[in-house]
Amino acid sequence: EIVLTQSPGTLSLSPGERATLSCRASQSVSSSYLAWYQQKPGQAPRLLIYGASSRATGIPDRFSGSGSGTDFTLTISRLEPEDFAVYYCQQYGSWTFGQGTKVEIK
Amino acid sequence: EVQLVESGGGLVQPGGSLRLSCAASGFTFSSYWMHWVRQAPGKGLVWVSRINSDGSSTSYADSVKGRFTISRDNAKNTLYLQMNSLRAEDTAVYYCARDADYIDAFDIWGQGTMVTVSS
Repeated sequence: EIVLTQSPGTLSLSPGERATLSCRASQSVSSSYLAWYQQKPGQAPRLLIYGASSRATGIPDRFSGSGSGTDFTLTISRLEPEDFAVYYCQQYGSWTFGQGTKVEIK
Repeated sequence: EVQLVESGGGLVQPGGSLRLSCAASGFTFSSYWMHWVRQAPGKGLVWVSRINSDGSSTSYADSVKGRFTISRDNAKNTLYLQMNSLRAEDTAVYYCARDADYIDAFDIWGQGTMVTVSS
């Protein structure tokens, strides 16, 4: 079973700053099988990125994904107030999720 | 509008049973695999189960195997999760999600239904 480890657990940043979130897999993952989701308190998760780097419909271009093999990154170029949330990576092959990274206001 | 709406959650005693439903609308339900994902209070997302488009194939997380059963009624555009022998650790919000295999991700999620297992 592939285990996804996200880091850091919490990221404290100010609006306008750049956020870099990491997702590391215990073994190589097909890039097409790596997705990122955003979840705000009391809401369902929302798909942000699929195929490691493709933005889902309606997702602003300040969100970008990259990586391959075992190391993947979600970058938010300039944080907007609505971006403070928890972010999860997912390996589609076994449908498992990382434990999440919380992006909080500093 | 493409939508998933869960129902059926509630408070149940340990060892009890509950059936969750997920009503789909706005898309051809019978064309998509579907999943259940749960989230314990204050915790992360955990995949629970999946079913293929015609209901002939299912998969389960080890933690629920033998206790939970996923099914679907394509005529009613509804996904189900029958949960038996419930334990305290099954307490969570349960989400249904659409599997968009053309992008290898879960593209539509319901709002979730809360299941609390407690005496």
